[in-house]
Amino acid sequence: DAKTTQPTSMDCAEGRAANLPCNHSTISGNEYVYWYRQIHSQGPQYIIHGLKNNETNEMASLIITEDRKSSTLILPHATLRDTAVYYCIVSALSRGSQGNLIFGKGTKLSVKP
Amino acid sequence: DTEVTQTPKHLVMGMTNKKSLKCEQHMGHRAMYWYKQKAKKPPELMFVYSYEKLSINESVPSRFSPECPNSSLLNLHLHALQPEDSALYLCASSQAISGQGAYEQYFGPGTRLTVT
Repeated sequence: DAKTTQPTSMDCAEGRAANLPCNHSTISGNEYVYWYRQIHSQGPQYIIHGLKNNETNEMASLIITEDRKSSTLILPHATLRDTAVYYCIVSALSRGSQGNLIFGKGTKLSVKP
Repeated sequence: DTEVTQTPKHLVMGMTNKKSLKCEQHMGHRAMYWYKQKAKKPPELMFVYSYEKLSINESVPSRFSPECPNSSLLNLHLHALQPEDSALYLCASSQAISGQGAYEQYFGPGTRLTVT
């Protein structure tokens, strides 16, 4: 079973920041938090990952709470092309794990004009 | 180049047919994956190959047969499928899985399979 909890859906106005929350209260010390998104009828796209520290790349920022039990993905200036299902996944590389990604239901983000 | 290609884009096959799905990457990745995604559901892992060897089979029926002929190619051979096997089949790749660390996966666009 997926080890994360995300809201089913969210709306965001175009040009505004989109803040997508994720709860992962049972995360283990060696598990990373990954974010992927899937635009309709396309393959999932890697966005960002983090372990403890906040991370930023050209697509988004990832804020992880100090206790690591939750995180927030921030798209700083959402565009219509950011409309997608966003998946928060926790995963660790360990014997027998192979870095598997177990996708939950994700958050359907709708960016509106 | 961070592209994973999959062919064909669409496939319609009868329950008695034999067909194959193909996946290719040229990123030097040594781990490759097959996922299955039913409509309005998240992707589900089917198989993992690490250094061209099958390392994980998530209890997939034998009518699905994966093959990794070299480090750039991954095939999924299909035989005697059922209509409920109709789905989007996604291929992904990542750096070699070894030790500790984070390994982002890069996905192809998928093959939309319809079994009639």
